[in-house]
Amino acid sequence: AQKVTQAQTEISVVEKEDVTLDCVYETRDTTYYLFWYKQPPSGELVFLIRRNSFDEQNEISGRYSWNFQKSTSSFNFTITASQVVDSAVYFCALKGDSSYKLIFGSGTRLLVRP
Amino acid sequence: DADVTQTPRNRITKTGKRIMLECSQTKGHDRMYWYRQDPGLGLQLIYYSFDVKDINKGEISDGYSVSRQAQAKFSLSLESAIPNQTALYFCAARGSGTGELFFGEGSRLTVL
Repeated sequence: AQKVTQAQTEISVVEKEDVTLDCVYETRDTTYYLFWYKQPPSGELVFLIRRNSFDEQNEISGRYSWNFQKSTSSFNFTITASQVVDSAVYFCALKGDSSYKLIFGSGTRLLVRP
Repeated sequence: DADVTQTPRNRITKTGKRIMLECSQTKGHDRMYWYRQDPGLGLQLIYYSFDVKDINKGEISDGYSVSRQAQAKFSLSLESAIPNQTALYFCAARGSGTGELFFGEGSRLTVL
């Protein structure tokens, strides 16, 4: 079975604080893909990143960074110096090579206060 | 222009009415999906299609049907809408060589 757990239902920070969103996954596939999507208040789903299971390099894109650790089955997302515009629901997702579908976590709502 | 377009974006209807949500994509992706989003539950897969002649049920297909009219078009129907089908519906598409899904902007459906 495949599963994605985002234990943090809601996080509230003050602007300019760093914040980490946790994602823990389960899969028996040796090849799989991990994703993060952002859903702003307007409702659309915005793709942020895809990571393959055989590439454990961490990635940084501006204020965003991702920490992929196979040993702990985690794919955490950090926003540095958060801004109000970062307020959104963030979804972590998993697709195993043996599966036809993307499995989503339940999402973490991030509120960045001015 | 958006790769995946959904219509309508918002719809309010009454119990028992038939509703169709339409989805089209411009990138020639062969795989298309319909997801439903409920607060606190993430996204759940309703139906998916790998090509025009290949339609498959997802996790929560009861009460829904789909039609893949062409590679670019994938519509979702509620034959007799009920209030617990009130949700945000997303269509998505992806090519066979990548896991990334491209989502439409969502269709918010309210069933009274």
